[in-house]
Amino acid sequence: DQQVKQNSPSLSVQEGRISILNCDYTNSMFDYFLWYKKYPAEGPTFLISISSIKDKNEDGRFTVFLNKSAKHLSLHIVPSQPGDSAVYFCAASSGVSYGGSQGNLIFGKGTKLSVKP
Amino acid sequence: KAGVTQTPRYLIKTRGQQVTLSCSPISGHRSVSWYQQTPGQGLQFLFEYFSETQRNKGNFPGRFSGRQFSNSRSEMNVSTLELGDSALYLCASRPSGSATDTQYFGPGTRLTVL
Repeated sequence: DQQVKQNSPSLSVQEGRISILNCDYTNSMFDYFLWYKKYPAEGPTFLISISSIKDKNEDGRFTVFLNKSAKHLSLHIVPSQPGDSAVYFCAASSGVSYGGSQGNLIFGKGTKLSVKP
Repeated sequence: KAGVTQTPRYLIKTRGQQVTLSCSPISGHRSVSWYQQTPGQGLQFLFEYFSETQRNKGNFPGRFSGRQFSNSRSEMNVSTLELGDSALYLCASRPSGSATDTQYFGPGTRLTVL
C-alpha cells in the first residue's frame, strides 16, 4: 500500500504561470518531507524540504506547503520556466521528532511537469 | 565538491548471474543509501549504511546485499539475478546520521537483466 501518493502523473503549465504539484501521505509518523526533481538519465536533485513543525517553507521560486491535518503537501513553482520541465518526486521520512536518523525516504511515483514556452 | 558517483553507469547481465554496483559518496559524507527505481514501483529504499554498519533495510529479498568501506564508499550486490531486477539503482549520500540531512543522489546504474 502506497504511503506517499502523487495522484497526478502529469501536469502541463504555461511559462510564467504557477505550477502546483500535490502529494498525499497516509503514515502519521512522517515528520519530514522533501521534493526532488529528476531529469532523464540523471539522479534526483533535491529542491526543498519541510519539517512537520512548519506549514510553509520558501526557497526562491519554490514554496512547499504542509497541511498535517489533511496529510497533504504541495509544491508551488512561481513563475514556471521551461527548464522546470522534469519529473517531481515527493518524499517523506520519519524520525526527526524523536531524534532518529532514518535514512530511508519513502517516495511518491512522481509527477511529470511540462512547462510550455 | 564532487558529487555522488556511481559505477558502472550501464550494465547488462543474464538471469542467474550476480552483479556488484559501486557508489562513492560526496567527500565527508558518512551515510550512503541505496534505492531501486522501476516504472511500476517507483523509487524504493533498499538499505542504508553509516560508518560501515547497515542501519536500515527495506523490504527486499536477501539476494540484495551491500556493504560500506572505511572510506564511506559503498557497494551493493545482487545475486541470482531475475528479470524483475532490471532497474535504475540509485545511491544517495548525506553528511551524518541526522534525519534532516539532505540526501544527494548519484546518476544511477542502469541494470538490464536478459
